[in-house]
Formats: sequence, structure tokens, C-alpha cells
Amino acid sequence: DQQVKQNSPSLSVQEGRISILNCDYTNSMFDYFLWYKKYPAEGPTFLISISSIKDKNEDGRFTVFLNKSAKHLSLHIVPSQPGDSAVYFCAASPHSGNTPLVFGKGTRLSVIA
Amino acid sequence: DADVTQTPRNRITKTGKRIMLECSQTKGHDRMYWYRQDPGLGLRLIYYSFDVKDINKGEISDGYSVSRQAQAKFSLSLESAIPNQTALYFCATSDLGSEAFFGQGTRLTVV
Repeated sequence: DQQVKQNSPSLSVQEGRISILNCDYTNSMFDYFLWYKKYPAEGPTFLISISSIKDKNEDGRFTVFLNKSAKHLSLHIVPSQPGDSAVYFCAASPHSGNTPLVFGKGTRLSVIA
Repeated sequence: DADVTQTPRNRITKTGKRIMLECSQTKGHDRMYWYRQDPGLGLRLIYYSFDVKDINKGEISDGYSVSRQAQAKFSLSLESAIPNQTALYFCATSDLGSEAFFGQGTRLTVV
């Protein structure tokens, strides 16, 4: 049973517009959430995280929103740039760190110039 | 130099052969992981280790084994490779409660 779900395999956005990537989780023990970005032929790289004591975390063009009651988080990229084209993975774990990160299947973002 | 180094980067092997993928890290973290990526399936955990004396199975450990030779080294072995083990393999490391840092990956093809 998938504990972290990214239901959109792909997303296309025009350069300069907002990209919104969504992620749902089922395990109520999860309280630490991360987004990773992956380019072809490279390993995933950490992008931004949020813990359950917050509902928003911002880092430059990237903002993650957490809705605990809905068990939903989203990553907003504004404005989107062609270099943002990559696969984005959502990941989660209990902040106690007793279990490894659980990843979603990823969403491929294409930013069109 | 990369914080997490995987060798080899690419490997083609025959069905039934034993193969070892190696990983070393310079982050000084106790925790290390092996993940596998397949198209449409995301990153799935094979094995993980929270310290040198600790080894745990992940979601898809069948057909794999690991060895934690030191804090900085964690190797993954396929005892008898089969074609459905063709995938991208990633090693990662983390501290307690922090993000994981990934290697560049090993592309393994079993023919």
C-alpha cells in the first residue's frame, strides 16, 4: 500500500507561470516532509522540507504547503524556469527518524519556454 | 568531491552472475540506504543501516544482500542477478531527522 502518493506522473507549465506539484500521504505518523529534485543521470537532490508544526515553508522560488487534516502537501514554484524541468519526488518520515524516508513515484515537470 | 560516491556508475552483467555495487560517503553520517528506481515506480528502499552493526530489510530486499564495512561504506550485492533487477540504484546517507544525501546512481543492466 502506497504511503506517499503523487498522482500526477507529469506536468507541463509555461516559463514564468506557477508550477504546483501535489503529494498525499496516508500514514498519520509522518510528520516530516521533503521534496527532492532529480535530473537525468544524477541522484536526487534535496530541495525543501517542512515539519508538521508548520503549514508553510518558503525558500526563494520554492514554497511547500502542508495541510495536515487533509494529509496533503504541495510544492509551488514561482516563477517556473526551464531549468526547473526535472522529476520531483515527495518523501515523508516520522521526525523521530526511526524509519527511512518513504518516497512517492515522482512527478515529471516540464517547463516550456 | 562528491559527498556520496557510487561505483561503478554503469554495469552490464549476465543473468546468474554475482555483482557488488559499492558506496562510500564523506558526510560522517551513521545512516546509509540503498534505493532502486524503476520507471513509474519511484524510489523503493532495498536495505538500510542506522549504524555499523545495524542492517534492516526494506520494501524490496529479496534477491539482494548488503554489507556495512565501516561507517562510511555500504555495499549492495546481487547474489545471482536476474533481468528484472535491471534498474537505477541509489545509495544515500543521512543524519537522524535530517534530509538524505544521494549518490549519482549506478545504472545496472542484467542481460
